[in-house]
Amino acid sequence: EDQVTQSPEALRLQEGESSSLNCSYTVSGLRGLFWYRQDPGKGPEFLFTLYSAGEEKEKERLKATLTKKESFLHITAPKPEDSATYLCAVQGGGSNYKLTFGKGTLLTVNP
Amino acid sequence: NAGVTQTPKFQVLKTGQSMTLQCAQDMNHNSMYWYRQDPGMGLRLIYYSASEGTTDKGEVPNGYNVSRLNKREFSLRLESAAPSQTSVYFCASSFQDPPGYTFGSGTRLTVV
Repeated sequence: EDQVTQSPEALRLQEGESSSLNCSYTVSGLRGLFWYRQDPGKGPEFLFTLYSAGEEKEKERLKATLTKKESFLHITAPKPEDSATYLCAVQGGGSNYKLTFGKGTLLTVNP
Repeated sequence: NAGVTQTPKFQVLKTGQSMTLQCAQDMNHNSMYWYRQDPGMGLRLIYYSASEGTTDKGEVPNGYNVSRLNKREFSLRLESAAPSQTSVYFCASSFQDPPGYTFGSGTRLTVV
């Protein structure tokens, strides 16, 4: 059974204070690891897909990295508008295309 | 705008009532999914349809039924609502390859 654990559950940063969110996973035959952003009252919004260890993806102040056991979402010089819940998910080889999600990290960036 | 459309956005039901949540996508995706999201529990898969004509149970299927009406539409039915089904429900769709979902905006359901 695929499992995803995200830490910390909540993170509070000052504007400009860089940090990282962690996503640890166990999966049989990783087909992809996904990061989503979710704003209050809205559906998750796709950020990145990572397919193999060593891969990195960047978008504005966000950078996602992947190892064989975990993924990190690095946030550089965050702004208040980066405040959201960040979700990690994996798709395993035997999953029939469905994703298994972690519980998310609630990020708050104070001005 | 292209994407996943869910209706209704909000609903209040009495215990024992039934209702159907509607989901439609216009991205020609093969696969569709229903998740529920509860505080502290994350997103949990209720049912999914890997392709038109097929449906399968997810992690928490009890109390729900689904219908893949055609390639575009995937509905979720609560036959006899219970307070434990109070949640936010998300529909999502994807291609089989590459993977990755597009989500709808959700239905907030309260069962009293």
